[in-house]
Amino acid sequence: AQSVTQLDSHVSVSEGTPVLLRCNYSSSYSPSLFWYVQHPNKGLQLLLKYTSAATLVKGINGFEAEFKKSETSFHLTKPSAHMSDAAEYFCVVSPGNKLVFGAGTILRVKS
Amino acid sequence: KAGVTQTPRYLIKTRGQQVTLSCSPISGHRSVSWYQQTPGQGLQFLFEYFSETQRNKGNFPGRFSGRQFSNSRSEMNVSTLELGDSALYLCASSLEWTGATDTQYFGPGTRLTVL
Repeated sequence: AQSVTQLDSHVSVSEGTPVLLRCNYSSSYSPSLFWYVQHPNKGLQLLLKYTSAATLVKGINGFEAEFKKSETSFHLTKPSAHMSDAAEYFCVVSPGNKLVFGAGTILRVKS
Repeated sequence: KAGVTQTPRYLIKTRGQQVTLSCSPISGHRSVSWYQQTPGQGLQFLFEYFSETQRNKGNFPGRFSGRQFSNSRSEMNVSTLELGDSALYLCASSLEWTGATDTQYFGPGTRLTVL
């Protein structure tokens, strides 16, 4: 079965510093991978998705993720954190007609 | 285009009651999926409908059911509510949901509290 593991439940960064949210996946074949963000009391918003077209995927709001098959990783990065990035982030894999979510990483941005 | 809408946004019920939640997908989208989000279990897939047919179902008891109408709007029903059913229920729509190339767009959710 396909699954994802988010390695950090909480990440804290200062505004203007880089963001790294880590995700490892488990899949017997090339997966479809996504990153979603959820702001408090809001629904989920798609940040980016990987569908085997390119290993470096650029998303919205300056986020990007790199698919590394050798490391089974799909880490999310952003060069410079903004206060508005504070939210919960989910790494997601799609094994067919559903999404399988990681446990989530809460990102805190300090001023 | 209007996004995915869910009604009601908040619900309070008591144990043993039943509840119906509604989801209107983005215009033109034919696939609707439902997810349950709780602090303990995280986000879990409930079921997915496409053209009025349930194509996939998660690991939930039969008290959880759903349906989709010809206009792609969907409802989910939970009967004999339990305290553990308290959760945020999220609906997502996509064009056809083939997984690899399609994208799911989420609504704001319905917050269900069972007392």
